[in-house]
Order: sequence, then C-alpha cells, then structure tokens
Amino acid sequence: NAGVTQTPKFQVLKTGQSMTLQCAQDMNHNSMYWYRQDPGMGLRLIYYSASEGTTDKGEVPNGYNVSRLNKREFSLRLESAAPSQTSVYFCASSEWTGAAQHFGDGTRLSIL
Amino acid sequence: GDSVTQMEGPVTLSEEAFLTINCTYTATGYPSLFWYVQYPGEGLQLLLKATKADDKGSNKGFEATYRKETTSFHLEKGSVQVSDSAVYFCALVTSTTSGTYKYIFGTGTRLKVLA
Repeated sequence: NAGVTQTPKFQVLKTGQSMTLQCAQDMNHNSMYWYRQDPGMGLRLIYYSASEGTTDKGEVPNGYNVSRLNKREFSLRLESAAPSQTSVYFCASSEWTGAAQHFGDGTRLSIL
Repeated sequence: GDSVTQMEGPVTLSEEAFLTINCTYTATGYPSLFWYVQYPGEGLQLLLKATKADDKGSNKGFEATYRKETTSFHLEKGSVQVSDSAVYFCALVTSTTSGTYKYIFGTGTRLKVLA
C-alpha cells in the first residue's frame, strides 16, 4: 500500500544542472500536485494536474516544468537549477481537486 | 484574496496538557477546511476535515469545528502525548469563478510535547 512515491529522496545539484523529480501514485487519483516547502513559508503550489492530460500553473511556477505522463505519474523538471530552488519538494494526489490530498515523503534538493 | 492564518509556534506543552492551535481563514464562498500533520522527515498526512459550517472533524483525539461566524477552525486535543510532537498545518480549498479549485495552506505550527 505505497500511496504516493517520490524519487529521489535526496539530491545535490550544481547551479545550471537539470533534474527531473519523479512521482507516482497507486490510488487511482485524478488530480496530482507539486509543492515546495521552505522554512516559515508553509507549502507553495508549483504546478498541478486536475486530470490526466491537463496541467496548470500554481503560485510559484517559474523555473519549473511538469509532465503528467499518465494517470499514475506526474514529474517535475528543473531545466537550469538555481540556488533559490533549494527546498523540500512534495508531490501529492487527490481524488479530485477539491478533495483531501495524500502526500509523498518529499525530495530534499540542494543546489550549490 | 483567500488566506489561512495560524498561530505562531513553537508550542511547547507537558504531556497530558490541553492543546489549542488557532486557525482563521479568509475565503469567498464556502471552503472546505482541513488540518494536516507532518512528522519529522515525512510528508503531510490528513488529520481531519470539515466541509460545511458547524461540522466537527475528529480523529485520534483531535477535534476542530468549522465556525463560519468567526471564520475559524481551531484544533484541540484534551490530553497531548509525546508522540503528538509534529508540525500542524491548517488548510482550505475553495472553488474559483473559473470552476477550478484553489488549495491554500497555513505556514504551520510546531508542537513539542515534553514527557
């Protein structure tokens, strides 16, 4: 009963490198989300996918791209990493966009 | 705009003490309200929810009542345990005029319970 699985759990990048964070859910949920969590700022929505085949920008989309590969998988890509993108990234899913969300354990990303 | 405001932490309590974490919100329409809990090194987990005014959500001894008149959703527990030490997030989801939904989280309140 995995729920939401994120890979990798930790990653260190150099400025300018690219990286894709992976997320998969096994709950047959329609909606998926990417958040970043920074100290004192709570969770901020980067992108979300209301249903398979759709993606929309959240509060802080600049510097990121997403792909809803299929109903299960939703990836987040950093094309040219910057130190300001050092954060903990969480993927989440829900039955629909107004429902309670289920979170993965996060990816801790450091950009030097 | 829509927002969620939580009390600043950290909150430090002795075991078996009474807990209140305040949460107030601003939203148009009729949002659903949630409390999530985050243990160290983990993602957020849904603790409880309420979808309409006067609803009481409850789980694991925690309770919160949706108060529309005071736009509040305060989290309470009668007797905390060391294992309740975590960060607690209040959140709301509200529909927009374009038919989409917007999820807003508070900044979190850290609770530390001492034995």
